[in-house]
Amino acid sequence: DGGITQSPKYLFRKEGQNVTLSCEQNLNHDAMYWYRQDPGQGLRLIYYSQIVNDFQKGDIAEGYSVSREKKESFPLTVTSAQKNPTAFYLCASTLGLAERPHEQFFGPGTRLTVL
Amino acid sequence: DAKTTQPNSMESNEEEPVHLPCNHSTISGTDYIHWYRQLPSQGPEYVIHGLTSNVNNRMASLAIAEDRKSSTLILHRATLRDAAVYYCILRDFISNFGNEKLTFGTGTRLTIIP
Repeated sequence: DGGITQSPKYLFRKEGQNVTLSCEQNLNHDAMYWYRQDPGQGLRLIYYSQIVNDFQKGDIAEGYSVSREKKESFPLTVTSAQKNPTAFYLCASTLGLAERPHEQFFGPGTRLTVL
Repeated sequence: DAKTTQPNSMESNEEEPVHLPCNHSTISGTDYIHWYRQLPSQGPEYVIHGLTSNVNNRMASLAIAEDRKSSTLILHRATLRDAAVYYCILRDFISNFGNEKLTFGTGTRLTIIP
């Protein structure tokens, strides 16, 4: 079955530690996205990538970093510089620019808690 | 992208139709209207989209006002599995070429009463 997987589902980290969230898709999509969701709030865009080896900052990129070395993978690192990292993190993907897709496909999310 | 306004919450009885409203008075001519829904502790899922004409798919119907300043997502026969937060989102496919991000508001929390 094609889809997006995120791991782990729950993640705990101590203050001051970096942590990397995994996102993998086997949909052959060019574009991938990372969103953050706080309780009772909508989603906010952290980073996005339209093509391998290229990515752009979203609305709240400070304290986060990403890489896009492979088409199917878009890992997100939450660094110690992120002041309030406890949140629900969602990865998404779409077909590429040429297709102008309407639908974004989302993964199941990773809930990060900083202790 | 232009802003949308939705009620914070709605309730509906099971097996009855549900009409979820969305106001978008500043919509531009190239804005598409999208609806996503998010079940508890899951990622959002696409429901439907439209530009000017009403749209139907297996999940729902989208009714768009003639002036496009409002739209309504219609669930024809609500089930308990339809309990979710529903997001109405506008996307400009012309001026935002190269950035396909979705701007999510807080949506409408739909509760289905058995």
